[in-house]
Amino acid sequence: GQNIDQPTEMTATEGAIVQINCTYQTSGFNGLFWYQQHAGEAPTFLSYNVLDGLEEKGRFSSFLSRSKGYSYLLLKELQMKDSASYLCAALDSNYQLIWGAGTKLIIKP
Amino acid sequence: GAVVSQHPSWVICKSGTSVKIECRSLDFQATTMFWYRQFPKQSLMLMATSNEGSKATYEQGVEKDKFLINHASLTLSTLTVTSAHPEDSSFYICSAALGDDGTQYFGPGTRLLVL
Repeated sequence: GQNIDQPTEMTATEGAIVQINCTYQTSGFNGLFWYQQHAGEAPTFLSYNVLDGLEEKGRFSSFLSRSKGYSYLLLKELQMKDSASYLCAALDSNYQLIWGAGTKLIIKP
Repeated sequence: GAVVSQHPSWVICKSGTSVKIECRSLDFQATTMFWYRQFPKQSLMLMATSNEGSKATYEQGVEKDKFLINHASLTLSTLTVTSAHPEDSSFYICSAALGDDGTQYFGPGTRLLVL
């Protein structure tokens, strides 16, 4: 079956760094997405990785290892507004997104 | 770029009525549009995938006669919840795919409350 695993909840301190991990098992693979979703709002696109390695976008970076079925989202210099759920999603061979349950990130002052 | 709108943002209706939700890609033509439902503190649940001019593909367990999807153009898809009941109350979100890499851009969502 197809499966995405990510922690349910994480807590970090303002100004710190946090890494949210995601492991996936899919029928074929065409890329890995990270989305941010604030409470009561729709998800917004953060990143897309299809090749191994680290992609950096400002304070946010995303890493992919296809051989390990593993990705992480790295958030630096955490701000209170980064408190949100972070959704990991893998694109399978049919170009269907398989969604993780999301990781709720709580930022404390 | 890649802006998706949804209308209305809030709907409160009586049980038994039908509710139509519109999803538009404002600055691009969407090859595919998706409809999701999200219950509180749960992840997104894909309801159906629609391509312009063809019938929607529904996920297992989603009643196609209850959730009618019309994808009339490359910029507009509609979801009609027919004979809505309180258990249909949820956050309905549409998304549109811009290209072939699978990236989906989400609308702001529609909160439906059925009394």
